[in-house]
Amino acid sequence: QSALTQPASVSGSPGQSITISCTGTSSDVGSYNLVSWYQQHPGKAPKLMISEVSKRPSGVSNRFSGSKSGNTASLTISGLQPEDEADYYCSSYAGSSTSLFGGGTKLTVL
Amino acid sequence: QLQLQESGPGLVKPSETLSLTCTVSGGSISSSSYYWVWIRQPPGKGLEWIGSIYYGGRTFYNPSLKSRLTISGDTSKNQFSLKLTSVTAADTAVYYCARERYNWNDFDYWGQGTLVTVSS
Repeated sequence: QSALTQPASVSGSPGQSITISCTGTSSDVGSYNLVSWYQQHPGKAPKLMISEVSKRPSGVSNRFSGSKSGNTASLTISGLQPEDEADYYCSSYAGSSTSLFGGGTKLTVL
Repeated sequence: QLQLQESGPGLVKPSETLSLTCTVSGGSISSSSYYWVWIRQPPGKGLEWIGSIYYGGRTFYNPSLKSRLTISGDTSKNQFSLKLTSVTAADTAVYYCARERYNWNDFDYWGQGTLVTVSS
């Protein structure tokens, strides 16, 4: 099992939109619609932002959206706000009740 | 409101065993709707799924850690535990316990995390 691949960093200005990719394989991301996304602020535990590729848990802003095509999932944040600056991680079910995380992406709001 | 709290030594010597416990309140680890999971994060690095325990005591481990890892549960105390043997500096990390929803394989509740440093 290898970690899912995410860009190390992305940036955007307030009000803009950004997209973070998460690339896996046909054994994980490509095989299951069970990709989730997490936001982590420094020194804090991760917070679930997107479940099952594109579903937002209660309380998560509709500025956050998810999608998937083939072996790559994506998280889009629209209308960037300063408080969106954080690390973002994707996760995918990988079969046999195991999971994989991406390496994480640092989002900078300029 | 579900809460998870990690506990255990913050410093472990190389070659020894790392032991942590997660105490769950506001929900039962006996539920068939959830896995109870350990996840770690080395300083400045990404998240790594360690393993989980499910209803009836079934366990699932990261293949890269399987030979050194044991996860167990105590339903009477509503706790689950992690033991990682023969630790090295590479096992230094913040260790999180979390709840994973069975049907959706997402981690919806997390503990605050506990830093474990492996050093002599």
